[in-house]
Amino acid sequence: GQQLNQSPQSMFIQEGEDVSMNCTSSSIFNTWLWYKQDPGEGPVLLIALYKAGELTSNGRLTAQFGITRKDSFLNISASIPSDVGIYFCAGQNSGTSYGKLTFGQGTILTVHP
Amino acid sequence: DAMVIQNPRYQVTQFGKPVTLSCSQTLNHNVMYWYQQKSSQAPKLLFHYYDKDFNNEADTPDNFQSRRPNTSFCFLDIRSPGLGDAAMYLCATTTGVADTQYFGPGTRLTVL
Repeated sequence: GQQLNQSPQSMFIQEGEDVSMNCTSSSIFNTWLWYKQDPGEGPVLLIALYKAGELTSNGRLTAQFGITRKDSFLNISASIPSDVGIYFCAGQNSGTSYGKLTFGQGTILTVHP
Repeated sequence: DAMVIQNPRYQVTQFGKPVTLSCSQTLNHNVMYWYQQKSSQAPKLLFHYYDKDFNNEADTPDNFQSRRPNTSFCFLDIRSPGLGDAAMYLCATTTGVADTQYFGPGTRLTVL
């Protein structure tokens, strides 16, 4: 089955630093999604990518859908303490019976003030 | 305003005592999903409803059941919770089979 490898598993950074994380897949996806999950809460959608090569920004966040459709990255610029949380990538294919998400393992982000 | 609502947010049950978790949505979405998420892991899909059609993942234990009495509500029933069923349970919804999924805040289940 499809698997996503998300890296790094965890990051410890200083406030103000930029962050980069990525996901790679053994097979292609039509859609890439990036979610953030705070402790004790559900994942919140940050960015959705629908086309190979697409580069999309949401405030300080930028994500790209890889040209091969097998990878995606998320960048966070000028990190702040509220960026702390777990970031998940997820791949999805249209045409499946239920739009099942395949999740990466998550990146735990810690930001030191 | 909350669009996907889960109740309760925290649930404590005893080993073997049936428990029901609730999810409701104000989005009128066709599809509702239930996920199980254990600590430091990604969410794992248990099953989903497309309208009234129920779809079970192959590796979901029989101990887990679901009901969807109408478009807005979906329930997760755990018939005989074991210690290994302690987890965060997430509900998600989407308009169609390949649209973005929106998650609820989750219910944290503790099994004593």
